[in-house]
Amino acid sequence: DVKVTQSSRYLVKRTGEKVFLECVQDMDHENMFWYRQDPGLGLRLIYFSYDVKMKEKGDIPEGYSVSREKKERFSLILESASTNQTSMYLCASTYVNTGELFFGEGSRLTVL
Amino acid sequence: DAKTTQPTSMDCAEGRAANLPCNHSTISGNEYVYWYRQIHSQGPQYIIHGLKNNETNEMASLIITEDRKSSTLILPHATLRDTAVYYCIVRVDTTGNQFYFGTGTSLTVIP
Repeated sequence: DVKVTQSSRYLVKRTGEKVFLECVQDMDHENMFWYRQDPGLGLRLIYFSYDVKMKEKGDIPEGYSVSREKKERFSLILESASTNQTSMYLCASTYVNTGELFFGEGSRLTVL
Repeated sequence: DAKTTQPTSMDCAEGRAANLPCNHSTISGNEYVYWYRQIHSQGPQYIIHGLKNNETNEMASLIITEDRKSSTLILPHATLRDTAVYYCIVRVDTTGNQFYFGTGTSLTVIP
């Protein structure tokens, strides 16, 4: 069974803290994505990567960075968390040139 | 990538067919139509996709109009577990192209 695993289902952090959200896939997928999901706004793309050490900005990259040192792992970093980054974060992966995304279960982050 | 328009919400009686429409009037010739769904508190799940022809798999059927400006996802015998948000996406299958999920249609299957 294919699997995308996100490191934490629920996190509570304080304003100004550095936050790492980890995502690992076991399908040898080239492409990986980070989305955030907020009520009424749907899923919005933060960053994506189509190869190791490659990254592309999505629609809302401000306040975030990413790291892809290994093919299977894509990390989302909040350098200095703010309350407006309280959200559900979803990681996904796919083979190159296909549209079948595989999603993780999501990480619900609360920033106090 | 073309944008899509879906109704905000729909109801369907359990055991009946659920027909979820999607309008994509500006779709281009090489864009696929994808459908995903998201059950509460889970990540979205791929359902089906197609380019021109109608498609069927174990989960659903996808009907694309001849002019490709709209499509319908059909769940033939809806169950309570089909209650979810359904997203219609159009996309060229090229590396680097994004998936625009929008806000989808919230389907409620009623006992």
